[in-house]
Amino acid sequence: QVQLVQSGAEVKKPGASVKVSCKASGYTFTSYGISWVRQAPGQGLEWMGWISAYNGNTNYAQKLQGRVTMTTDTSTSTAYMELRSLRSDDTAVYYCARVTMARGVIISPTVYWGQGTLVTVSS
Amino acid sequence: EIVLTQSPGTLSLSPGERATLSCRASQSVSSSYLAWYQQKPGQAPRLLIYGASSRATGIPDRFSGSGSGTDFTLTISRLEPEDFAVYYCQQYGSPFGPGTKVDIK
Repeated sequence: QVQLVQSGAEVKKPGASVKVSCKASGYTFTSYGISWVRQAPGQGLEWMGWISAYNGNTNYAQKLQGRVTMTTDTSTSTAYMELRSLRSDDTAVYYCARVTMARGVIISPTVYWGQGTLVTVSS
Repeated sequence: EIVLTQSPGTLSLSPGERATLSCRASQSVSSSYLAWYQQKPGQAPRLLIYGASSRATGIPDRFSGSGSGTDFTLTISRLEPEDFAVYYCQQYGSPFGPGTKVDIK
């Protein structure tokens, strides 16, 4: 069965970086993409972007451009999301999710989600 | 970038009542790429509807989706206690709408 297992909770100081991992199993990793979504406490879902595990192409939310990098390691079927220059409003639960892509476009809704990783930014 | 607006922000209803949730896009969205999700506290979102009107696996038939172009609707025909949650619309791979909270009146 498809599983996405994320790394554990992190506490970071303002200005630091965080790297969240998402290990996939139960499917051919390079046949899909990974989308990242975050949710601040009491707030809605914020789409952060996606990465194709096939060719590494990425698409980031404009708001996060320059601070976020999404990568994959196909040898371990793991996706990573790194966010730099952390601020208090980056405190959120971060989710990875599997998506289906074709010609650089996501063509499927999100069925499979990771369990979420809480990132707390506090001095 | 397409911006999705959802209304109302909060819907207060009783079990057994009908819920009608709206999702409006800033420009036309392909119906094939419009999804609705349900989220409960402490849980990841769950896919309810894809392609604007197709129910995901295991979703009860009291949930239905409709619409095209810029206006989409999620309808819950008779609210069950487990349906009180937050609902989001999304064009695949793009930002979500702000959500509609369905709470108990």
